[in-house]
Amino acid sequence: EVQLVESGGGLVQPGGSLRLSCVVSGFTVSSNYIGWVRQAPGKGLEWVATIYSSGSAYYPGSLKGRFTISRDNSRNTVFLQMNSLRAEDTAVYYCATLIATGGTAEYFHHWGQGTRVTVSS
Amino acid sequence: DVQMTQSPSTLSASIGDTVTITCRASQSIGTWLAWYQQKPGKAPKLLIYKASTLESGVSSRFSGDGFGTEFILTIKSLQPDDFATYYCQSYDNNAYSFGRGTKLDIK
Repeated sequence: EVQLVESGGGLVQPGGSLRLSCVVSGFTVSSNYIGWVRQAPGKGLEWVATIYSSGSAYYPGSLKGRFTISRDNSRNTVFLQMNSLRAEDTAVYYCATLIATGGTAEYFHHWGQGTRVTVSS
Repeated sequence: DVQMTQSPSTLSASIGDTVTITCRASQSIGTWLAWYQQKPGKAPKLLIYKASTLESGVSSRFSGDGFGTEFILTIKSLQPDDFATYYCQSYDNNAYSFGRGTKLDIK
């Protein structure tokens, strides 16, 4: 059974940094695809980052440069480093595995329970 | 980037009804489309991928169709557990985009 457990959320001041962790079991992060999706309070889902088995990382243009996704294969864990945080980054952050049907990773499959990030002074 | 326009934003229906939710992509995405169900306080759940492939364990009352820019999620014979928010999601060139969601509530 695939399980994902996020941690690292909390309250941070504007301009601050936070690193989220996603510990994965039942799924090998180094040979698969993992992503982060966030959901602001009362809002919809927003893709944040993905890391492919090759190690390549992708971000939406709006977040590129502030957020970095990485992984530690020995701990089967994926991280999301978030810098220069703004009030609009306040959200629940989910990590999720992705499934590949056409040679790359297209859909978010198994999800964690999420970790809440609040950016406020 | 692909923009996804989902409609309606809210939908009221009764137990036993059949409903449809539409998602329109700003450019052709072939069949690179998924549908998710989300309940309050919970993570989204994958229902359908590749526009029409039912995820394992998902009820056959859910079905998806479409190609290119127009996609539909159909839910037949609504059950109490189906009342939730539904999102479409596209994939194109290593980027992912979600629709704004459709909240399905009981009439």
